[in-house]
Amino acid sequence: NAGVTQTPKFQVLKTGQSMTLQCAQDMNHEYMSWYRQDPGMGLRLIHYSVGAGITDQGEVPNGYNVSRSTTEDFPLRLLSAAPSQTSVYFCASIGPGREGSPSYEQYFGPGTRLTVT
Amino acid sequence: AQKITQTQPGMFVQEKEAVTLDCTYDTSDPSYGLFWYKQPSSGEMIFLIYQGSYDQQNATEGRYSLNFQKARKSANLVISASQLGDSAMYFCAMREGLRRDDKIIFGKGTRLHILP
Repeated sequence: NAGVTQTPKFQVLKTGQSMTLQCAQDMNHEYMSWYRQDPGMGLRLIHYSVGAGITDQGEVPNGYNVSRSTTEDFPLRLLSAAPSQTSVYFCASIGPGREGSPSYEQYFGPGTRLTVT
Repeated sequence: AQKITQTQPGMFVQEKEAVTLDCTYDTSDPSYGLFWYKQPSSGEMIFLIYQGSYDQQNATEGRYSLNFQKARKSANLVISASQLGDSAMYFCAMREGLRRDDKIIFGKGTRLHILP
């Protein structure tokens, strides 16, 4: 299994540009989520999904859209990038834990570092 | 109010010493889970240890143990015999409720530096 994959690893955008951060998992997990990580702020939940066709907002949803047409994919869209969206973005899924870990465990992708100038 | 509080933004510890990273949480839900993650300089998030609110014993995983004090709402991570490779950012997180779709909330993290 590839686990949770994210593309691209790095991206530079100009203010006002749009782009989509891709996230995919091959573990058949129903729950997927997007976080952003900023210095001194920890990880903050942007949007999450509990299954195909179902999405909901997290703590900091403004400026971001998501959709979930398949179990595997959960893209994050920035319609009009702003410098405040400069951050590291993590996608994660929740599924059965590995041996010795809890009933469910959160699996993270490697992250996308986004800079908006 | 913050749900997860990590009061130590940074810590410096001598190699081979034990380390305690503090985490307090706030919830009125009797069912919850507490997680610790490690984030090295390479950036990936690595799951370390988990404690469920109904678990009777403190969780342990190799050199990691979780000092769970339910009445004080405290879930400190203890790393025994620290190593240089333990230098990283550490995050405490909580899932209120124990269903698969209950959200996980993170603290702001503690940066641990292990000195040779």
